[in-house]
Amino acid sequence: AQSVAQPEDQVNVAEGNPLTVKCTYSVSGNPYLFWYVQYPNRGLQFLLKYITGDNLVKGSYGFEAEFNKSQTSFHLKKPSALVSDSALYFCAVRVQKLVFGTGTRLLVSP
Amino acid sequence: KAGVTQTPRYLIKTRGQQVTLSCSPISGHRSVSWYQQTPGQGLQFLFEYFSETQRNKGNFPGRFSGRQFSNSRSEMNVSTLELGDSALYLCASGALGTGDPYGYTFGSGTRLTVV
Repeated sequence: AQSVAQPEDQVNVAEGNPLTVKCTYSVSGNPYLFWYVQYPNRGLQFLLKYITGDNLVKGSYGFEAEFNKSQTSFHLKKPSALVSDSALYFCAVRVQKLVFGTGTRLLVSP
Repeated sequence: KAGVTQTPRYLIKTRGQQVTLSCSPISGHRSVSWYQQTPGQGLQFLFEYFSETQRNKGNFPGRFSGRQFSNSRSEMNVSTLELGDSALYLCASGALGTGDPYGYTFGSGTRLTVV
């Protein structure tokens, strides 16, 4: 069965520093991978997706993610974090339905 | 174009009652999925509808049901509410069948509190 793991409950980073939010997946066949962000009392906002093609995917708000098939990973990255990036981030894989990781809370300090 | 509309935004119900939540997808989208989000269980898939037919179903009891209308609007019903049903219920409008079959847009959710 497909699954997604986000090994960190929380990531802390200072504003201006690069950030990485980790995600690994387990799926048979080609993975369709997604990152979403959730702000308090809101739904999920789409950041980016990998379907096929270039391993480096660029998304909204300056985020990008690198698909690594050998490591079955799809880590979310941003070169320079903003305080406004503080939110809950979800990685998801789609095989017939979206299966989400447990989420990683990102805290960016001023 | 208009986004995904979920109504109501907030709801308080008593144990044993039943509740109906509504989701209007993006115009042109024919797929609607429902998810339950709780602090303990995270995001759990409930079911997906496409062109009025249920395509997939998650592992929830029969108290949870849904349907989709010909205009793609979907409703989710929970009968005999339990305290554990308190959650944020999210609807996702899916672009399946369009040029971007992997696109999902979520609504802001309905916060259900069962007392």
